[in-house]
Amino acid sequence: DAGVIQSPRHEVTEMGQEVTLRCKPISGHDYLFWYRQTMMRGLELLIYFNNNVPIDDSGMPEDRFSAKMPNASFSTLKIQPSEPRDSAVYFCASRPYNEYGELFFGEGSRLTVL
Amino acid sequence: AQSVSQHNHHVILSEAASLELGCNYSYGGTVNLFWYVQYPGQHLQLLLKYFSGDPLVKGIKGFEAEFIKSKFSFNLRKPSVQWSDTAEYFCAVRGTNAGKSTFGDGTTLTVKP
Repeated sequence: DAGVIQSPRHEVTEMGQEVTLRCKPISGHDYLFWYRQTMMRGLELLIYFNNNVPIDDSGMPEDRFSAKMPNASFSTLKIQPSEPRDSAVYFCASRPYNEYGELFFGEGSRLTVL
Repeated sequence: AQSVSQHNHHVILSEAASLELGCNYSYGGTVNLFWYVQYPGQHLQLLLKYFSGDPLVKGIKGFEAEFIKSKFSFNLRKPSVQWSDTAEYFCAVRGTNAGKSTFGDGTTLTVKP
C-alpha cells in the first residue's frame, strides 16, 4: 500500500491567496483526520471524518478554513484567504475501523504564507 | 474529555544512557494508548501501542512502555539510546469507543554522540 498521500509537499503563497491541500487516505480506512503542527501550538486536530462525514470540526480555527471529503479516497483542506499565521505543516492521517485506533500519517504539506 | 500530559518538553541524553519519558492521561473509561515518533523533517509514525492484555508492550527499535492503570500512566522506556533516536515523541490516548485520539504536547529527545 502506498500509505497516506498528501499534496503539495511544499507550498509558498502570499497572504490573501487561496490554499488547497489534498489527501488520499489508505484504501479501506474509514476515518480521516487533518492535523496542523507548529512550534508554538504543537500538534492540533483540526477536523476528522468518518465514512466521509465530518464528525468533529471544533479544531478548525475560523471560517477561513474548510474541509471536505467528497468520497472515500479524497479529502481537501482549504484556507481562504490565507494569512501568515497559517504557516505550518498540515498532516493528514487515516485509520481503519477497528479496536486499535492506530493512525497512519502522511508526509505532510508544509505551508508558508508570506 | 480526554487529555494527555507529557512531563518533559526537552530531554538531552548521551548515547548509551537510559531513557524514560513520562506520560499521564485523563479519561473516564477504557483506553487505547500510543507512542508515536517523529524524526526530524518526517511524519509521525507508530512506535508502540497498548490496547489490552500485558501492560508491558514492546515496540520497534528497542522501545517499550508500561501501562499502569492505577496511575493513568504510559511511560516510554529504552535501556540504551542511540544518536538515531533523536526525534520528537508523542503520547496519545483514545477511548475505545471514541473516534479521535488526543495527543500530548510532545517531548523532544536529543541524543549526543
